[in-house]
Amino acid sequence: DGGITQSPKYLFRKEGQNVTLSCEQNLNHDAMYWYRQDPGQGLRLIYYSQIVNDFQKGDIAEGYSVSREKKESFPLTVTSAQKNPTAFYLCASSIDRGAKNIQYFGAGTRLSVL
Amino acid sequence: ELKVEQNPLFLSMQEGKNYTIYCNYSTTSDRLYWYRQDPGKSLESLFVLLSNGAVKQEGRLMASLDTKARLSTLHITAAVHDLSATYFCAGRSSNFGNEKLTFGTGTRLTIIP
Repeated sequence: DGGITQSPKYLFRKEGQNVTLSCEQNLNHDAMYWYRQDPGQGLRLIYYSQIVNDFQKGDIAEGYSVSREKKESFPLTVTSAQKNPTAFYLCASSIDRGAKNIQYFGAGTRLSVL
Repeated sequence: ELKVEQNPLFLSMQEGKNYTIYCNYSTTSDRLYWYRQDPGKSLESLFVLLSNGAVKQEGRLMASLDTKARLSTLHITAAVHDLSATYFCAGRSSNFGNEKLTFGTGTRLTIIP
């Protein structure tokens, strides 16, 4: 089945720790995105990548880092510099061309601070 | 910078009734997306609206786009409990090669039997 896989589903971070959220897609999509969702709010873009080895900051990139070494993978690291990391993190991908260019989302990772 | 506002933020409606969710956006956006999110779940794509006057329908949901008014609507007809969810609209901030989406804050819809 084609789709976007995020892992883990739940993640706990200790003070001062970096944690990495995984996002893998087998849709052969060019573009991938990371969003953060806080309770009762919309999605805010953290980082996005349109091609391998290239990525751009979104609206709230501070305290986060990403890499795009493979087309299928776009991991997000939440660093210790992110002081309020508790949120629901959603990864998405899109074909990045054509009229519709719908973003498809993974099931999400819920991050909490211990 | 594109800003997207939805209203209402919360909506409780009885089964069988009709209602409309509104999505206003601040600057030119050549695409408008509607997504559905069930509690604790991911987002599911509902509609993509590409041009002024576009109307898309799927079951009891109908979406429309008025680019001159910078307004999209999601109309619910004869609501049923299964439609309870949070609905998001999103506009595209497009530069060449840039497919960034800006999301509204969502409308939490609760259908009451």
